[in-house]
Amino acid sequence: DGGITQSPKYLFRKEGQNVTLSCEQNLNHDAMYWYRQDPGQGLRLIYYSQIVNDFQKGDIAEGYSVSREKKESFPLTVTSAQKNPTAFYLCASSPGQNSYNEQFFGPGTRLTVL
Amino acid sequence: GNSVTQMEGPVTLSEEAFLTINCTYTATGYPSLFWYVQYPGEGLQLLLKATKADDKGSNKGFEATYRKETTSFHLEKGSVQVSDSAVYFCALLNTNAGKSTFGDGTTLTVKP
Repeated sequence: DGGITQSPKYLFRKEGQNVTLSCEQNLNHDAMYWYRQDPGQGLRLIYYSQIVNDFQKGDIAEGYSVSREKKESFPLTVTSAQKNPTAFYLCASSPGQNSYNEQFFGPGTRLTVL
Repeated sequence: GNSVTQMEGPVTLSEEAFLTINCTYTATGYPSLFWYVQYPGEGLQLLLKATKADDKGSNKGFEATYRKETTSFHLEKGSVQVSDSAVYFCALLNTNAGKSTFGDGTTLTVKP
């Protein structure tokens, strides 16, 4: 059963701690993306990667870091430098840069900073 | 740059009413256009798409036509159901950009 998995579903963290959100896909997609969604808001792009070992900053990369060591995995680390990390985080993938390709989304991780 | 503007919500309708959610875009070249739907607490899923001018995307009774002359991709459904209650996102993808541009989303609530 192909798809994107994100774990955990809910995550709690104390202020000042780094935390890593997992994103795995078995769709053999080249491109992967991380978005942040705040209540009642649209999606904001954090980072994206179009190929293994390469990634680009999105619109709100400050306070976040990523890695892309394997095609199927694109973990996101929320660092203590992120001033307001409480949000819903969505990971997505797509086959590649072809303009016909839609994105496939994971179920999301809700991060709450205590 | 690329941008997507969606009709502001929230939108509240009675069951079996006609739905229109407006979407207009700004982009260079010939982007593909998408509508995604998000149910509470879940990720987005593709509802329909159109890849060139005058294409009509359709799925589950929803339709949208790619209008290059008006740079629009309005979402329509003839008769909504309670189960259509969700947030709807319009998006575009330009190959040059390598990433999608999303609208802010429109929340639809359908009452019995």
